[in-house]
Amino acid sequence: AQSVTQLGSHVSVSEGALVLLRCNYSSSVPPYLFWYVQYPNQGLQLLLKYTTGATLVKGINGFEAEFKKSETSFHLTKPSAHMSDAAEYFCAVSQNSGGSNYKLTFGKGTLLTVNP
Amino acid sequence: GAGVSQSPSNKVTEKGKDVELRCDPISGHTALYWYRQSLGQGLEFLIYFQGNSAPDKSGLPSDRFSAERTGGSVSTLTIQRTQQEDSAVYLCASSLYLEPEQYFGPGTRLTVT
Repeated sequence: AQSVTQLGSHVSVSEGALVLLRCNYSSSVPPYLFWYVQYPNQGLQLLLKYTTGATLVKGINGFEAEFKKSETSFHLTKPSAHMSDAAEYFCAVSQNSGGSNYKLTFGKGTLLTVNP
Repeated sequence: GAGVSQSPSNKVTEKGKDVELRCDPISGHTALYWYRQSLGQGLEFLIYFQGNSAPDKSGLPSDRFSAERTGGSVSTLTIQRTQQEDSAVYLCASSLYLEPEQYFGPGTRLTVT
């Protein structure tokens, strides 16, 4: 079974400050890892993903994340927060569960607030 | 190109009524998933389709929930005899065959009164 833990249900930063959203996972096999963002009353938008290869992955809107197998972590960072980054962020893990089944297991989410 | 679409965007129904939620995946995406997002349970997997078959129904919470997919495209999630605990946002996602990256629709917000 796989699981995801997001540390901190609510993170507040000032505009221009570093954003760090933490994600730890457990998986019995090499995982695929994702960060999604959800703006109010909208669906989930993929920020970035790790499948294989380079462990530092870059995504949209200046976000990046590093897969650290030894720490079972996939923390999301952005050097300088913008007001438009305020949203809820979900970390998710999947593995091939047979055929083309890559069902996602999500963390509880982290609500990011950006203060002017 | 067109993304995943879902209808209706909002649905209010009375307890005990049946509801149907529709998902139109991205053209050419053979894999389709349904998820539920609720305050108490967070985001949880419901069912997975490959083509018109559903080899993984492990997330359906009760036999009141069912889903089908026709023509390898449109999917319908049906909830019979709705209960208040069914109130949630139902999200659909699709992906290419053997690709783990999923693209989500905007969701259907279901409210059971």
